[in-house]
Amino acid sequence: DVKVTQSSRYLVKRTGEKVFLECVQDMDHENMFWYRQDPGLGLRLIYFSYDVKMKEKGDIPEGYSVSREKKERFSLILESASTNQTSMYLCASSLLSGKYEQYFGPGTRLTVT
Amino acid sequence: AQSVSQHNHHVILSEAASLELGCNYSYGGTVNLFWYVQYPGQHLQLLLKYFSGDPLVKGIKGFEAEFIKSKFSFNLRKPSVQWSDTAEYFCAVTPPVDTSGTYKYIFGTGTRLKVLA
Repeated sequence: DVKVTQSSRYLVKRTGEKVFLECVQDMDHENMFWYRQDPGLGLRLIYFSYDVKMKEKGDIPEGYSVSREKKERFSLILESASTNQTSMYLCASSLLSGKYEQYFGPGTRLTVT
Repeated sequence: AQSVSQHNHHVILSEAASLELGCNYSYGGTVNLFWYVQYPGQHLQLLLKYFSGDPLVKGIKGFEAEFIKSKFSFNLRKPSVQWSDTAEYFCAVTPPVDTSGTYKYIFGTGTRLKVLA
């Protein structure tokens, strides 16, 4: 079974802090994704990566950056957390893209106060 | 703007009722289609997917979906729902590859289904 793990289930940070969210997958998948999930808005893509050290912006990249130094690990960085970044963050991976399903982690619920 | 639409945001059904959740997309060309489910407190998981062949796709837990190309739709169905089907359901599409040569997965806004015992 594919397993996608995220470093924290719940996180509380203060405005202005730098926040790191980590995601690890164990199935040698090429693609990894970061989404945020908000009620009524569904999943919105922040960034994705199709190879080590490669990244592409999604629909809402402002205020975020990512790092993929190893194939299995994809990190999301909030450079200076703001209250409007309070959300559920989901990591996903897929073998390739297109017709391949994504496998999701359990999510990190981030609260910025 | 090109998008994926789920028009039913909240659905409440009694057990044994039939379910149909709508999903429409606005991309031309060849697309790949997915339905995911998120049970309370759990991570998203795949219900079913379609990328070619028989437009009627069967998934897990008795769910099925029909791809109707002319209507740009991929509606999810289940003949008889159970209390355990209470969850949020998301439709997703991978449109034709964009100019960067990569695929994106575009999600709808989700439908919350509550099944009354």
